[in-house]
Amino acid sequence: EVQLVESGGGLVQPGRSLKLSCAASGFTFSNYYMAWVRQAPKKGLEWVATISTSGSRTYYPDSVKGRFTISRDNAKSSLYLQMNSLKSEDTATYYCARHVEFITTFDYWGQGVMVTVSS
Amino acid sequence: DIVMTQTPSSQAVSAGEKVTMSCKSSQSLLYSENKKNYLAWYQQKPGQSPKLLISWASTRESGVPDRFIGSGSGTDFTLTISSVQAEDLAVYYCEQYYDTPLTFGSGTKLEIK
Repeated sequence: EVQLVESGGGLVQPGRSLKLSCAASGFTFSNYYMAWVRQAPKKGLEWVATISTSGSRTYYPDSVKGRFTISRDNAKSSLYLQMNSLKSEDTATYYCARHVEFITTFDYWGQGVMVTVSS
Repeated sequence: DIVMTQTPSSQAVSAGEKVTMSCKSSQSLLYSENKKNYLAWYQQKPGQSPKLLISWASTRESGVPDRFIGSGSGTDFTLTISSVQAEDLAVYYCEQYYDTPLTFGSGTKLEIK
């Protein structure tokens, strides 16, 4: 059974940093592109980052480029999101998600972890 | 960026009724080389993570009931639920994966009368 379990969320002050983790199991992690998708409270979905199977290529929307860094450790079947210079608008539930192939649809999602940016 | 527009934002139907919801993209999602539309539909039930229902505009994922039907091409897409069930209460999102940034519509909230 595919499982994605996020951790590392919490309350953080504006301008500070936070690192999210996602532990994957039930599939060969190194074979899949992985991503982070967020959802602000009562809002829609926003793609945050994608990383290639080897980790050599990363992709971001302009809203987080330069502030967020996605990475992975295939030996540990783990995905990470380093978030720097956090803003109030980064407040959201962050989901770890698996791409079906390359940068396509997301076929499995974690349960999400809440990040609140507030002073 | 490709903008995804979903309508209506919400609708209420009775169990057993047919419902349709629309998703329009600001540019074509049809890739000419493979004739595929890079459009997906997700269902998000209250308190849950999104679930992939349909990819390539009309391909149902394994285990998705056949009452969920995706159609359309180019810039205009539709999700139809042929006979709504109480468990279909959810927000439905469309997503384009034709180009980065990947973008989602704002969702259609389905309520059951």
